[in-house]
Amino acid sequence: GAVVSQHPSWVICKSGTSVKIECRSLDFQATTMFWYRQFPKQSLMLMATSNEGSKATYEQGVEKDKFLINHASLTLSTLTVTSAHPEDSSFYICSARDYRGNSPLHFGNGTRLTVT
Amino acid sequence: AQSVSQHNHHVILSEAASLELGCNYSYGGTVNLFWYVQYPGQHLQLLLKYFSGDPLVKGIKGFEAEFIKSKFSFNLRKPSVQWSDTAEYFCAVQGFNKFYFGSGTKLNVKP
Repeated sequence: GAVVSQHPSWVICKSGTSVKIECRSLDFQATTMFWYRQFPKQSLMLMATSNEGSKATYEQGVEKDKFLINHASLTLSTLTVTSAHPEDSSFYICSARDYRGNSPLHFGNGTRLTVT
Repeated sequence: AQSVSQHNHHVILSEAASLELGCNYSYGGTVNLFWYVQYPGQHLQLLLKYFSGDPLVKGIKGFEAEFIKSKFSFNLRKPSVQWSDTAEYFCAVQGFNKFYFGSGTKLNVKP
């Protein structure tokens, strides 16, 4: 089946530094990838939609200058958390959708970010 | 605004009991509907999906869901749960190329 690889699975960084998270579709091409954030005991919150070759579309309330998204190829999207603060600590999940017709989302394993 | 509601946050059942998890959504246009499952320590996996046609959809592991358009609902059911069904279940709605998720329902099945 379709596999989405997300890396790293966990990261600890200091306040003020930046962290990059990668999301790769391993056996299919994804023109669209989605980035979610999950708070404890809450649902996945859609942060942005990443479109290959164009600017990402951010959901209301998500700072695009803080959460930089780059979708440079049909198999790779990156999320960079810039100038991280403790309140950015969360679980970030990427998902990708096969570009061919109607298809469900395939999820990465998520990245646990802890900002100290 | 689009929203997905799962009213049961935590469900505890004994093995062989029947399961029904509620999912209601609000969205003004055509939607595709999904149920995802997250087993402990694993990533989200697709359980079943509805795009069109027969509103009663059968998925993996004996799960099924029924789309009732008039009620904006897509409830998940299983006639007889097993201990291995212990997981968190998320309902999702896709509209205009965006996916929105419910808050999830944790299911604990007691052996």
